[in-house]
Formats: sequence, structure tokens, C-alpha cells
Amino acid sequence: GNSVTQMEGPVTLSEEAFLTINCTYTATGYPSLFWYVQYPGEGLQLLLKATKADDKGSNKGFEATYRKETTSFHLEKGSVQVSDSAVYFCALSSPDTGRRALTFGSGTRLQVQP
Amino acid sequence: DGGITQSPKYLFRKEGQNVTLSCEQNLNHDAMYWYRQDPGQGLRLIYYSQIVNDFQKGDIAEGYSVSREKKESFPLTVTSAQKNPTAFYLCASSQTPGQAYDEQYFGPGTRLTVT
Repeated sequence: GNSVTQMEGPVTLSEEAFLTINCTYTATGYPSLFWYVQYPGEGLQLLLKATKADDKGSNKGFEATYRKETTSFHLEKGSVQVSDSAVYFCALSSPDTGRRALTFGSGTRLQVQP
Repeated sequence: DGGITQSPKYLFRKEGQNVTLSCEQNLNHDAMYWYRQDPGQGLRLIYYSQIVNDFQKGDIAEGYSVSREKKESFPLTVTSAQKNPTAFYLCASSQTPGQAYDEQYFGPGTRLTVT
């Protein structure tokens, strides 16, 4: 079946540091890949997505590249801010399953200190 | 503004009582989903619906029920058969159920506490 594995958190960084959150996946066919962000007590917001190999999704300074050869979709940001503190979820949607629901990783909590 | 509303934000119930969580969307999306989130874990799919009057079980459907009588509404009932109902419940929708690239939009969630 499909699965998503994320690096465990929390990840604690100082403001303006470089961020990488690793995400690898197992899926049949050619899935679409997503990063969602969740702020405390709220629902999830789509951060970025990529729908085919070598696509780069980007938004608000965050980037992730769909690497089929390594089955990875790592999230990066060059300079984090305190306001980026949140939980980040990697997810996939596989066209080979009938339901189109997302399969999520367990989430990685990011804490950015001033 | 278009979006998904869930109510209430916090819900408290006694063990043995059924409780219904509301989810409404005005995005004109065909597909709707219910997920459960437990502390430190990812989201797990409870039920989903790709069209009105049709819904399918997800990975953890036992102890839950849903209905989809209207396109914009997808209420979730947590029954007394659900052994560990205390959790954060998230509703989502997507425009085109047949497309894997179609992102899902999430509501703000309902935190259910059963004592």
C-alpha cells in the first residue's frame, strides 16, 4: 500500500537558519505529492504540491522537488522565521487507488527561535 | 468567502452518547472527506464521499457513520461503538474526485473530548 515517512521532530532552528524536512514515500504508479502546514489548533493548509517527476513546488519561500529516483519530496526553506513555527505534513495521492484520499506522514513539528 | 466550516470547534460528551460533527462547504466541490488526528500522529481517513448519496469507508471507519444528502454537507456521527473517540476531527473537500493532483481543502477542525 501507499505510505509516507517523515523525519521525526521537533526540529528546532534559530531565525534565518536553513530548513530541510525529509519526506520519502512508497506508492504504486505516479502519485501527486503535497506539503501541508498546520498551525496550533487549526486545520491544514496546502503549502505546495508537485504532480509529476522533477516538478518543483514552491510557495512563501518553501520549495520541494519531486524526485522519483529517490522517492523523495524534501521540504526546504533558505531562511526560516518565527512565524514558520508549525507542524508540516507530507502527503501523497495515488492515481492507482480508487478513493483519491491523501496518505499522510506523521508530521514534523518545527520550532523557530528568535 | 468560499471555504469549509466545521462546528462546533470544541465538543464534550459523556461516554456512551452518540455525537454528530458538522461539515459544510461552499466551494462546490464534489468530494468530501473525514480524517481523524491524534496527538503526534498524521491524519487517518475515516470516510469519504465522491458524490452525493454515495460514501465509502476509509481506514478507520469502525464506530463512525456518515451521510451525504447534499453536495455541500457531510456530517460525521461518532457512535458509542467507537472505543477511543477523543481526537481532533478534520473535514476536507476536493473539486474533482477522479484526479490525483487535486489538492484537498481543510476545515478548521472539531476537537472532541469524551469522558
